[in-house]
Amino acid sequence: DQQVKQNSPSLSVQEGRISILNCDYTNSMFDYFLWYKKYPAEGPTFLISISSIKDKNEDGRFTVFLNKSAKHLSLHIVPSQPGDSAVYFCAASEVTGTASKLTFGTGTRLQVTL
Amino acid sequence: DAEITQSPRHKITETGRQVTLACHQTWNHNNMFWYRQDLGHGLRLIHYSYGVQDTNKGEVSDGYSVSRSNTEDLPLTLESAASSQTSVYFCASSEFPKAYNEQFFGPGTRLTVL
Repeated sequence: DQQVKQNSPSLSVQEGRISILNCDYTNSMFDYFLWYKKYPAEGPTFLISISSIKDKNEDGRFTVFLNKSAKHLSLHIVPSQPGDSAVYFCAASEVTGTASKLTFGTGTRLQVTL
Repeated sequence: DAEITQSPRHKITETGRQVTLACHQTWNHNNMFWYRQDLGHGLRLIHYSYGVQDTNKGEVSDGYSVSRSNTEDLPLTLESAASSQTSVYFCASSEFPKAYNEQFFGPGTRLTVL
């Protein structure tokens, strides 16, 4: 039972254009949503997050939108740069006990072309 | 600088052997996690620990065990390696409470079971 889904395994975007990565979830108990970026042979690194009480969070070129009624979030990268080429994982956080656990999606490979 | 390290980075072993993957963090985080990454599955949680002497099973814990004798280390043991355990393994740590529940990941260990 995949609670966090990224239905697009890959995405190709031209440099300078907008990249939109999508994520859907099923568990209404998730309280935070995060995006991680992963380069080959490296561990994932945190990119941006959003609380379930907000609908938008922006950090430079990266903006995450949350639509709670649709259980959908998206990551917008504007403008896209070649260095953004990586695998992006959507993750959802649920507080259980004294700490939080993350549930990850399957990832979307973004390729930014020149 | 604080960091999280994993060793070895690459390991080849045979079916039935016991294997231990090391994870060491200098963040002084209470929470540590082990994930495996497989194509089509994203990152799946194997085991996690909220502190010394505390361990918990994750989504895919069968065939794996962990122990937490100090804050810095959470070794992952494969009791009897199976080909289905060929994967890339990531260790992560986090400090709770943090508003966005960020986890910091190690560089990963690529394990091949022949």
